[in-house]
Amino acid sequence: DSGVTQTPKHLITATGQRVTLRCSPRSGDLSVYWYQQSLDQGLQFLIQYYNGEERAKGNILERFSAQQFPDLHSELNLSSLELGDSALYFCASSVDPRLNTGELFFGEGSRLTVL
Amino acid sequence: EDQVTQSPEALRLQEGESSSLNCSYTVSGLRGLFWYRQDPGKGPEFLFTLYSAGEEKEKERLKATLTKKESFLHITAPKPEDSATYLCAVQGLTDSWGKLQFGAGTQVVVTP
Repeated sequence: DSGVTQTPKHLITATGQRVTLRCSPRSGDLSVYWYQQSLDQGLQFLIQYYNGEERAKGNILERFSAQQFPDLHSELNLSSLELGDSALYFCASSVDPRLNTGELFFGEGSRLTVL
Repeated sequence: EDQVTQSPEALRLQEGESSSLNCSYTVSGLRGLFWYRQDPGKGPEFLFTLYSAGEEKEKERLKATLTKKESFLHITAPKPEDSATYLCAVQGLTDSWGKLQFGAGTQVVVTP
C-alpha cells in the first residue's frame, strides 16, 4: 500500500460526459502528479501541483483540468469525454520534488471507460 | 523533448535465467534516471534512482547501471515473483519540479 488513495477505482460513462477523479496523497507529501496510462501511449504526464500551486504541465488536453486543495487532496476533471479518453489515470505524490529523488508514490489508479 | 525508449518490449525468462533490460534516453541534461516496477492492475512502484554515468544501484536480484546514453536493469537468477512490467523514466535538468518522462516499459514474465 503506497498510502495514495484514488477514487473511484472504476468509472464507466458516455461520450460527452464529465467526470471527476479524486486523489488523496500520502500523509506529509506536498506534491501531487497526474498521469494517464493507455495501451498505446504508455504512462503520460498530465500535470503536477505542489502545495496548492501548479508547477508543471504536460500534454494535458484543454478539456481536462485539475486542482490541489488546501488539505492537499487533488481532483482531475475530465469533460466532453471522447472514446480516446478511456485509460487508467494515476495519481502520485512525493514529499518535495526539489529533493530530486525521483521517488513518486503511485495510487492504484482510476480506470475510466468511455462508451 | 525528452525521449525514453525501452527494449525489449517483452521478455520471457525461465526461473534462474539472468537477463538485462535496456533503457535508451535523450534528454537535454540529465537530472536523474529512475526505474519503477508495475504489477498488473497496480500503480508503478519505485525501485532506483541513478544520477550520473557509472553509477550502479542494487536491490535483491536487480541491479541498475547508467551510461551517458542508456541504462540497464540486470535481473540475476530471476524468480516468478519478479514478473512485472519494468518502467524507466528520466527527469531533465529543466524539469526541477519532478516531471518524469516514462518509457513504454518491458514486460517480464518469469516461469518456474
